[in-house]
Amino acid sequence: AQSVTQLDSQVPVFEEAPVELRCNYSSSVSVYLFWYVQYPNQGLQLLLKYLSGSTLVKGINGFEAEFNKSQTSFHLRKPSVHISDTAEYFCAVVPFGNEKLTFGTGTRLTIIP
Amino acid sequence: NAGVTQTPKFQVLKTGQSMTLQCAQDMNHEYMSWYRQDPGMGLRLIHYSVGAGITDQGEVPNGYNVSRSTTEDFPLRLLSAAPSQTSVYFCASGDRSPNQPQHFGDGTRLSIL
Repeated sequence: AQSVTQLDSQVPVFEEAPVELRCNYSSSVSVYLFWYVQYPNQGLQLLLKYLSGSTLVKGINGFEAEFNKSQTSFHLRKPSVHISDTAEYFCAVVPFGNEKLTFGTGTRLTIIP
Repeated sequence: NAGVTQTPKFQVLKTGQSMTLQCAQDMNHEYMSWYRQDPGMGLRLIHYSVGAGITDQGEVPNGYNVSRSTTEDFPLRLLSAAPSQTSVYFCASGDRSPNQPQHFGDGTRLSIL
């Protein structure tokens, strides 16, 4: 069975500083990978996804993520964060041929003015 | 606005009561799913549907029923509410596959006393 690990439950970052949110996964087969964002009292929004091709994926709101197969990682990055980026971020994985999306436990990003 | 609509937003039930959480989408998406979100556990899939008349179990289906009589609607039924079902419930839809939800509702916060 697949699993997703988000080691950092909370990440505080100063405004305009860069940020990296870490995501590692385990699976016996190849996978599709996703990042979702959840703003307070709202549902999740798809931020970006990796299905195939280039390992560097660009998403909405200036975020990007890089798929590293050898390290089984899919870390999310943004070069300069804003107050509006305050939210919870979830990494998720689907193994090829599986219909069930598995989410990580989430990372709460707090932006310090 | 187009999207996924969940009702009610909040609900308090007594143990043993039954209720239905409503979910409707107006994007003609084939795929719909229900998740529950609990602190420190991310989102877990309860049930999903790949089209009208077709449903299947997810990771945590016990105590819940679903049906999909139309493309638009995907209600979730709690048969006999238990305190362990206290959670935030999200409905999602997509048109790519059942494991790539693109749109989420704003959630239903359910408390079982």
